Amino acid sequence: GQNIDQPTEMTATEGAIVQINCTYQTSGFNGLFWYQQHAGEAPTFLSYNVLDGLEEKGRFSSFLSRSKGYSYLLLKELQMKDSASYLCAADQTGANNLFFGTGTRLTVIP
Amino acid sequence: SAVISQKPSRDICQRGTSLTIQCQVDSQVTMMFWYRQQPGQSLTLIATANQGSEATYESGFVIDKFPISRPNLTFSTLTVSNMSPEDSSIYLCSVEVQDTANTGELFFGEGSRLTVL
Repeated sequence: GQNIDQPTEMTATEGAIVQINCTYQTSGFNGLFWYQQHAGEAPTFLSYNVLDGLEEKGRFSSFLSRSKGYSYLLLKELQMKDSASYLCAADQTGANNLFFGTGTRLTVIP
Repeated sequence: SAVISQKPSRDICQRGTSLTIQCQVDSQVTMMFWYRQQPGQSLTLIATANQGSEATYESGFVIDKFPISRPNLTFSTLTVSNMSPEDSSIYLCSVEVQDTANTGELFFGEGSRLTVL
């Protein structure tokens, strides 16, 4: 079967660092996406990992371990505007679509 | 990238009626998808809209309930038929765009929030 687990909610302080974990089980795996979704808005692309390791993009970094079925999204120097849901999504072999996790709702507090 | 326009952005509907959601993309795309996002949940794929042929539906979704049209490479519609309160949800149109690394990135419309009374 297929399954993606990520924490439902997290809270962090402005200026701090937060790591959002995601574990996945899929029948065939091409890569892993992270999307950000602010309340009432469309999801927007953050990152894509296909190889093991860390991909850094400004304040956001994403890590993948294919052998462990594990990824994380690291947000540095948190800002209030980073309060959003963060969706982990697996790109499955032979499928046209992404399989999404339920998302992690991050709240950044002053 | 792709810019996606969806309408209506929101609507309140009566039980038993049907509503058609339109999705317009600013460029020709091969892959178009319709997702549902129920309150507090993540995105669930309803179907892949295929140009010139019938849509491909995911398990749990059927054509009679969610008929889809895809007359060309820039436009699609999703109809939610015979609505019930359980259909209250956000419906999102999405397209896949291949970048130079041949990575398929999804772009989403802003969604259509339906409330069924």
